[in-house]
Amino acid sequence: AQKVTQAQTEISVVEKEDVTLDCVYETRDTTYYLFWYKQPPSGELVFLIRRNSFDEQNEISGRYSWNFQKSTSSFNFTITASQVVDSAVYFCALSETGANNLFFGTGTRLTVIP
Amino acid sequence: DGGITQSPKYLFRKEGQNVTLSCEQNLNHDAMYWYRQDPGQGLRLIYYSQIVNDFQKGDIAEGYSVSREKKESFPLTVTSAQKNPTAFYLCASRVGGSVTEAFFGQGTRLTVV
Repeated sequence: AQKVTQAQTEISVVEKEDVTLDCVYETRDTTYYLFWYKQPPSGELVFLIRRNSFDEQNEISGRYSWNFQKSTSSFNFTITASQVVDSAVYFCALSETGANNLFFGTGTRLTVIP
Repeated sequence: DGGITQSPKYLFRKEGQNVTLSCEQNLNHDAMYWYRQDPGQGLRLIYYSQIVNDFQKGDIAEGYSVSREKKESFPLTVTSAQKNPTAFYLCASRVGGSVTEAFFGQGTRLTVV
């Protein structure tokens, strides 16, 4: 069975601090896809990144970076020099090959204090 | 601009009433989804459709119904059989298959009064 765990329910940081959001997943498939979404107060989920199980290279996009480690089944998300606009709920999600669903974690609410 | 439009943004329902949430997309996506979001919980799948005139139950389909008569539209009806309908409902679409990301609408917040 597939499962996504985001153990951090809420995190608060002061602006300009770095913050890492954890995501641990479970799947029996060897081919799968992992995603991160941002949900700002407006409610719409905004796609941030997709990573397939064969690509363990870390990725950096501006202040955002992602660390994918199959050995620990983790796909962590780091925001460098956080800003108030980063305040949102962040979801990690998993999709197995041939599956018709994105399976979401429970989300981490990030608050960046000015 | 291409995207997904959900309406209304806020909806109030009296107990015992059916209500329909609208979801329209102009992204030419085959697959469409309805999710429910409750505080402190992740998104849970209600129904999905991979193609016109076909749809499948998700994890929490009881008390809900859908139709997919057009590729662009995937309305969700919350029936009186849904005992706890107050929640935030999100519609999504994607090209198809598991390799692509899903795009989401802005959601409908349903409250039972």
